[in-house]
Amino acid sequence: EDQVTQSPEALRLQEGESSSLNCSYTVSGLRGLFWYRQDPGKGPEFLFTLYSAGEEKEKERLKATLTKKESFLHITAPKPEDSATYLCAVQANSGYALNFGKGTSLLVTP
Amino acid sequence: NAGVMQNPRHLVRRRGQEARLRCSPMKGHSHVYWYRQLPEEGLKFMVYLQKENIIDESGMPKERFSAEFPKEGPSILRIQQVVRGDSAAYFCASSPDYSYEQYFGPGTRLTVT
Repeated sequence: EDQVTQSPEALRLQEGESSSLNCSYTVSGLRGLFWYRQDPGKGPEFLFTLYSAGEEKEKERLKATLTKKESFLHITAPKPEDSATYLCAVQANSGYALNFGKGTSLLVTP
Repeated sequence: NAGVMQNPRHLVRRRGQEARLRCSPMKGHSHVYWYRQLPEEGLKFMVYLQKENIIDESGMPKERFSAEFPKEGPSILRIQQVVRGDSAAYFCASSPDYSYEQYFGPGTRLTVT
């Protein structure tokens, strides 16, 4: 059975303090690994898709990386507006459903 | 380019009533997915539809829940005889033919009293 585990559950950073969020996964045949951002009361906002080990993608202060067992979302010099819950999901080759982790709740303080 | 639209945003139903949730995918997207987010739990896949076809309903409860995506109009998730445990946020996502990326709507928050 596909499993996605995100850590830490919650993370508090000071503005400018870089860190990484972890997403460990097991899936029988990975089609893609997806990162989303979710603000309270809103739907998940698509950030990145990674398809193969070694792949990296960047967007502003965020950089996502992928290995065969885990993905990292690196946040460089975060700002308060980066505060949100970050969700990781995997999609298996056998289907189209996204299997989500429970998320990391990030709080960036000024 | 308008995003995925869902309505209503908030829905209150008494136990035993029916709930109808609507989803209009992004323009040009023909794939629709429904997910449920229970309090303190992650997003869970329910069903995947294309126009007039249910492709994968492996996450849908066997009773009381149904979904459709007609040739014309929005996709509808229907919950019959709602119970308190159905209270959750229901999200719809859509994707185009050429990508596996799923784009989510703002969700419908269902409260069963």
